Amino acid sequence: DAGITQSPRHKVTETGTPVTLRCHQTENHRYMYWYRQDPGHGLRLIHYSYGVKDTDKGEVSDGYSVSRSKTEDFLLTLESATSSQTSVYFCAISRDRISYEQYFGPGTRLTVT
Amino acid sequence: GENVEQHPSTLSVQEGDSAVIKCTYSDSASNYFPWYKQELGKRPQLIIDIRSNVGEKKDQRIAVTLNKTAKHFSLHITETQPEDSAVYFCAASAGTDKLIFGTGTRLQVFP
Repeated sequence: DAGITQSPRHKVTETGTPVTLRCHQTENHRYMYWYRQDPGHGLRLIHYSYGVKDTDKGEVSDGYSVSRSKTEDFLLTLESATSSQTSVYFCAISRDRISYEQYFGPGTRLTVT
Repeated sequence: GENVEQHPSTLSVQEGDSAVIKCTYSDSASNYFPWYKQELGKRPQLIIDIRSNVGEKKDQRIAVTLNKTAKHFSLHITETQPEDSAVYFCAASAGTDKLIFGTGTRLQVFP
């Protein structure tokens, strides 16, 4: 597996609380992505980053924000968690825009009660 | 917007038989088509990919075919084994730096 870690791996939180998920890579890849995975929906892109401080929205970005202050770290924040954000969150990395190949982290299972 | 449809959603085969999963995409500019395998509780793993300048690619028991005119591509697994049981996702490139994923196919291989 590529050098990608996610923390925490599991989290239970209450509705209305802020939550931050961390993705850390040791591959020095330029691109980093956050997806959520829900039954029947496959993998849906939340936000992605194409460099330090450079980010853009994906197809399901409402209620989420991201930050990337270092090449190796990409943070996903739920400002005020809702039950609809209960999901498995995957981070992925890609070397550059030409290769397109994405490699996934181990995932974070988030439950919002 | 861009869309990728994947069929079937579930597929059951006998060990040793072949399995075929099909995807269609909407963006004619898509030029990269990967397939991922996800075992229960694990991360998606890239198993094979194809680019638009190639019609077919093989890697041992798996192959992918691409028909750009019809905008569809398929994953073929021959001589299936129980360890092939997993969820398989197709994807297509969108713009210059994103992938759009299909909704997945759960493949079950029975001994």
